Amino acid sequence: NAGVMQNPRHLVRRRGQEARLRCSPMKGHSHVYWYRQLPEEGLKFMVYLQKENIIDESGMPKERFSAEFPKEGPSILRIQQVVRGDSAAYFCASSPPDSYGEKLFFGSGTQLSVL
Amino acid sequence: RKEVEQDPGPFNVPEGATVAFNCTYSNSASQSFFWYRQDCRKEPKLLMSVYSSGNEDGRFTAQLNRASQYISLLIRDSKLSDSATYLCVVIPSGGYNKLIFGAGTRLAVHP
Repeated sequence: NAGVMQNPRHLVRRRGQEARLRCSPMKGHSHVYWYRQLPEEGLKFMVYLQKENIIDESGMPKERFSAEFPKEGPSILRIQQVVRGDSAAYFCASSPPDSYGEKLFFGSGTQLSVL
Repeated sequence: RKEVEQDPGPFNVPEGATVAFNCTYSNSASQSFFWYRQDCRKEPKLLMSVYSSGNEDGRFTAQLNRASQYISLLIRDSKLSDSATYLCVVIPSGGYNKLIFGAGTRLAVHP
């Protein structure tokens, strides 16, 4: 039973390029969450998705960031026109419905570096 | 004011020591509380849930004081392998896993 899979583990982009981060939830999990961890800071909630629906995107920056969780395939976090301040670790987590914390599992994260 | 506040540390303790971490949260309507552990910016892993009645898991004891909006974690008989960052986590009311993380407290256990 594979855990939450994120790829790539490391992503290097130049300013102005696009970054696509992928997350495959655990088998049987239909809820996906994205968190961002800036250097020397705690994790910050970005967005909560269910299949084909964005439930809560209150933590997403208003511009350049978008997320999706299609009916088939992984969840994608997309950052357009990256800037140096986007450099961070991006963690995806998944859970089954109706769980609070104890059944939430995190992927290993994608470390995004913007040159 | 941050939603979840922790002393960043670091706490440098010898093996075998007892160490306590504290955390305060601002939203009195918060409904679930946890301690997570994070090693070297890897993914956070659930250490334990926190209940008003207190709960213990081996060398680890967690306590919640809702009136003071205060959460604690006690580690007894520290091991070298306990060296990590400990994250205080709160889920506000809302019914899903919108975790609010503290910035973490770093623990370094030395021989």
